[in-house]
Amino acid sequence: DTGVSQDPRHKITKRGQNVTFRCDPISEHNRLYWYRQTLGQGPEFLTYFQNEAQLEKSRLLSDRFSAERPKGSFSTLEIQRTEQGDSAMYLCASSLAGGPYFGPGTRLLVL
Amino acid sequence: QKEVEQNSGPLSVPEGAIASLNCTYSDRVSQSFFWYRQYSGKSPELIMSIYSNGDKEDGRFTAQLNKASQYVSLLIRDSQPSDSATYLCAVNMGTNTGNQFYFGTGTSLTVIP
Repeated sequence: DTGVSQDPRHKITKRGQNVTFRCDPISEHNRLYWYRQTLGQGPEFLTYFQNEAQLEKSRLLSDRFSAERPKGSFSTLEIQRTEQGDSAMYLCASSLAGGPYFGPGTRLLVL
Repeated sequence: QKEVEQNSGPLSVPEGAIASLNCTYSDRVSQSFFWYRQYSGKSPELIMSIYSNGDKEDGRFTAQLNKASQYVSLLIRDSQPSDSATYLCAVNMGTNTGNQFYFGTGTSLTVIP
């Protein structure tokens, strides 16, 4: 399977804990995106990388969220001091040009 | 004002009919437009892209773009029960927002056998 992969697929954590998600994009894709989706809503943009450079970050994103893409390959998204409102599906996507291709997502539940 | 708007539905069509899904967007300088299909509990799947005014056909799917009216639509011909899903419209809005893709809330489609 040469699509976008994400790990873990599911995460349950307690409020206040830190969590980290990993995304492996399609190998030749230089653009990588993180989105968040809640029930009944479309994906909400979080951040965008071109190669290893983080070029855009949503103004809605609090300082508890951070993302990295070392060496322009895989990416990690960390959420510190999780809150119940962080419960959502976290989607990673990648592209070379045109519309991004999504991975299966990581479903986060904060208790 | 939301950047991308879609009728949330639900839209129900009988099997074999044409399903018509609509999307409007707010930014006149938007350059590229995409349709995604999302099955319940799954991630969005890219099914169509369109960049120029007019129609683009791919199998049973036709995307239509009218930049003057800021309107993009998706037609699904000979609808099948397997087409039952939520359809998301996505727009890449101009150069000042870099490479952000804005998504609508999606239209839920049910194809009735």
